[in-house]
Amino acid sequence: DGGITQSPKYLFRKEGQNVTLSCEQNLNHDAMYWYRQDPGQGLRLIYYSQIVNDFQKGDIAEGYSVSREKKESFPLTVTSAQKNPTAFYLCASSMRQLSYNEQFFGPGTRLTVL
Amino acid sequence: AQSVTQLGSHVSVSEGALVLLRCNYSSSVPPYLFWYVQYPNQGLQLLLKYTSAATLVKGINGFEAEFKKSETSFHLTKPSAHMSDAAEYFCAVTGAFNFGNEKLTFGTGTRLTIIP
Repeated sequence: DGGITQSPKYLFRKEGQNVTLSCEQNLNHDAMYWYRQDPGQGLRLIYYSQIVNDFQKGDIAEGYSVSREKKESFPLTVTSAQKNPTAFYLCASSMRQLSYNEQFFGPGTRLTVL
Repeated sequence: AQSVTQLGSHVSVSEGALVLLRCNYSSSVPPYLFWYVQYPNQGLQLLLKYTSAATLVKGINGFEAEFKKSETSFHLTKPSAHMSDAAEYFCAVTGAFNFGNEKLTFGTGTRLTIIP
């Protein structure tokens, strides 16, 4: 079955540590996205990528970094510079970055900073 | 630039009653509009989308939405609520013809509770 996988489902981090969230898709989609979800705030875009080896900052990129070395993979690193990293992180992909194409979402990773 | 306002962070309806979730948008260009549903601790699933074809859009699970340009609204409805409809619903907007810059802007969500 085609889809998007995110791992791990739950992640715990100590303050001051970097942590990497995995996102893989086998839908052959060109565009991939990372969102952060906090209660009552909806989804906010962190980074997005239209093609391999290219990505752009979203609305809340500070304290995060990404890479896009393969079409299928778009890992997100939450660095120690992110002041409030505890949140639910969602990865999404779309066929190509055109408005009318829906975004498909993964199941999410819940990150908790201890 | 685009924005979305979802009126009512929590909505409760009785099983079998009409579901109405409100979404108003703001866009400087013709919009494309989406409704997504999220079950607890899961990702989002597309319910329906408006992409400038028919103004009344039918989606999955019996939901539909009507695009009203004069009211800048895209409210989501379902004639008869089912217990399985309990979830969080997000309205989202992007600008049509924004080739190369198609970011979705999401509302803050409405949590729907179904009363048995």
